[in-house]
Amino acid sequence: AQSVTQLGSHVSVSEGALVLLRCNYSSSVPPYLFWYVQYPNQGLQLLLKYTSAATLVKGINGFEAEFKKSETSFHLTKPSAHMSDAAEYFCAVTASKIIFGSGTRLSIRP
Amino acid sequence: DSGVTQTPKHLITATGQRVTLRCSPRSGDLSVYWYQQSLDQGLQFLIQYYNGEERAKGNILERFSAQQFPDLHSELNLSSLELGDSALYFCASSAQTGDRVLEQFFGPGTRLTVL
Repeated sequence: AQSVTQLGSHVSVSEGALVLLRCNYSSSVPPYLFWYVQYPNQGLQLLLKYTSAATLVKGINGFEAEFKKSETSFHLTKPSAHMSDAAEYFCAVTASKIIFGSGTRLSIRP
Repeated sequence: DSGVTQTPKHLITATGQRVTLRCSPRSGDLSVYWYQQSLDQGLQFLIQYYNGEERAKGNILERFSAQQFPDLHSELNLSSLELGDSALYFCASSAQTGDRVLEQFFGPGTRLTVL
């Protein structure tokens, strides 16, 4: 069985501050993990993915995520937030099917 | 541009009516997924087709049905529409090797408004 938990439905940070969006997963098989971003009135766009290679994964727009098996986590980070990062972020885990988390809305304060 | 196309972009209809949403997957992708996204329920997986056959079912109502055609495009049929069916409907496609789902590519969505 698989599941994904995103801690915090809404995160607000100042422009230039660190962004940290949390994702914990459970999976009965070695997981593939993904982060997607959704801008207003658009579809989801793949940000980055982990497929059992390097545990530190770099994605688009300066985001990265680290796979930590011992903590069953795949948190998303960005060193310095930009106004254009405001969006909804979804973590997902896949084995035979894909399970999405409930999403975290990221707001950026000027 | 993800390579996944959806039509129409917007749809406004009345309760009790039936509508059909259309999706064309990325070239080469055999799997198509349908999702419903609403403010109160978030992103809900409805159904998956793989190379013309139903592969997985999620929270799809009996009033809803889907199919995937030989050219791999897919249609989602929504009937006896209710106000609560108003939502964004997304289609996504992916390559899939064996039992492992790979990353999905999402279309721009169809916004359905039921009045």
